[in-house]
Amino acid sequence: EDKVVQSPLSLVVHEGDTVTLNCSYEVTNFRSLLWYKQEKKAPTFLFMLTSSGIEKKSGRLSSILDKKELFSILNITATQTGDSAVYLCGKGAQKLVFGQGTRLTINP
Amino acid sequence: NAGVTQTPKFQVLKTGQSMTLQCAQDMNHEYMSWYRQDPGMGLRLIHYSVGAGITDQGEVPNGYNVSRSTTEDFPLRLLSAAPSQTSVYFCASTSSPGDSPLHFGNGTRLTVT
Repeated sequence: EDKVVQSPLSLVVHEGDTVTLNCSYEVTNFRSLLWYKQEKKAPTFLFMLTSSGIEKKSGRLSSILDKKELFSILNITATQTGDSAVYLCGKGAQKLVFGQGTRLTINP
Repeated sequence: NAGVTQTPKFQVLKTGQSMTLQCAQDMNHEYMSWYRQDPGMGLRLIHYSVGAGITDQGEVPNGYNVSRSTTEDFPLRLLSAAPSQTSVYFCASTSSPGDSPLHFGNGTRLTVT
């Protein structure tokens, strides 16, 4: 069965810090890897990664995929309190499977 | 732009009762899916559909039924609710799974007592 593992499960940092969130996965049925941010309600899409070594960037957030080592990272630089959320990593196509999520808390 | 609409937002059931969680999307997406999210856990796939008339099981299908009679709607049925089904349920859709991201509804919070 497909498995996605995220680490850490929980992270507390101060505003302005840089954080790295990790996502490792099994190789079966790889089509794409997705990152989502979830605050109060529905997850909102951040990045979709399909090719190894190509960084996706949006403002202070960036993500990269390593298909050889089977992992992805999500970086957030100069964190703000509004970055506090659960970050979810998912892999697959028709059966898109998610990890447990990383709960990120940014303290002012 | 409605996107993915889920109803109801909240529901309380007694053990053994049945109910249907509704999900509708107006983006003409062929693919739709249902997830449940429990505290401290990520999203777990219940059922999914790649088009009208086609459904398949996800990671945790037991206790849930689905059908897909139209492209727009993908209801999730609980035939006999159990406390273990207390969760937040999310419906999602996309035009092409694996090539385009999922769009999520705002969720239904279900409590089974």
